[in-house]
Amino acid sequence: AQTIHQWPVAEIKAVGSPLSLGCTIKGKSSPNLYWYWQATGGTLQQLFYSITVGQVESVVQLNLSASRPKDDQFILSTEKLLLSHSGFYLCAWSLDREGEQYFGPGTRLTVL
Amino acid sequence: DAKTTQPDSMESTEGETVHLPCSHATISGNEYIYWYRQVPLQGPEYVTHGLQQNTTNSMAFLAIASDRKSSTLILPHVSLRDAAVYHCILSPQGTGSKLSFGKGAKLTVSP
Repeated sequence: AQTIHQWPVAEIKAVGSPLSLGCTIKGKSSPNLYWYWQATGGTLQQLFYSITVGQVESVVQLNLSASRPKDDQFILSTEKLLLSHSGFYLCAWSLDREGEQYFGPGTRLTVL
Repeated sequence: DAKTTQPDSMESTEGETVHLPCSHATISGNEYIYWYRQVPLQGPEYVTHGLQQNTTNSMAFLAIASDRKSSTLILPHVSLRDAAVYHCILSPQGTGSKLSFGKGAKLTVSP
């Protein structure tokens, strides 16, 4: 069975500090991977997607970057957090670009 | 600009069959209709998707109008666990990765 793990579960960070969020997929080789962000009370926005190691496409510019260092790992990061980065970050995977996406448990980020 | 239109909310009672409508009058021929649902503090859960034909799975039945300008997600015998925000999303063939979530329709289920 496939499992998706996100870390950390929650994070409180200061404005201007760096951030790194991680996502790992187990039980599925070469998945498509996605990062989403949802502001409190807002709609879910897709930020990045990756179809293979080393390849990441940006969908929405939010002063964030993403990398896929391994087949089963997706990293979201920034060197300087903004207040507007607060929210709920979700990682998701799919078998192909037509298929359904499966979401992880999410990371709740609070920037103060 | 929203490509799908859903009611803001719907109410139901446990055991009922719920019909969740979605209007997509400007749908393109190569666009799939996806349904996801989300409860607070969790990621969305895939429900079903279709292109032209009605589809069914263990969670729901998706009825797609013959002109594809509307669809209805049918949830049989709802339980309290079906309470969620339901999202109807269009995604062009070949770009199924780019899901654009809107506000969705909040389904409330009463005991």
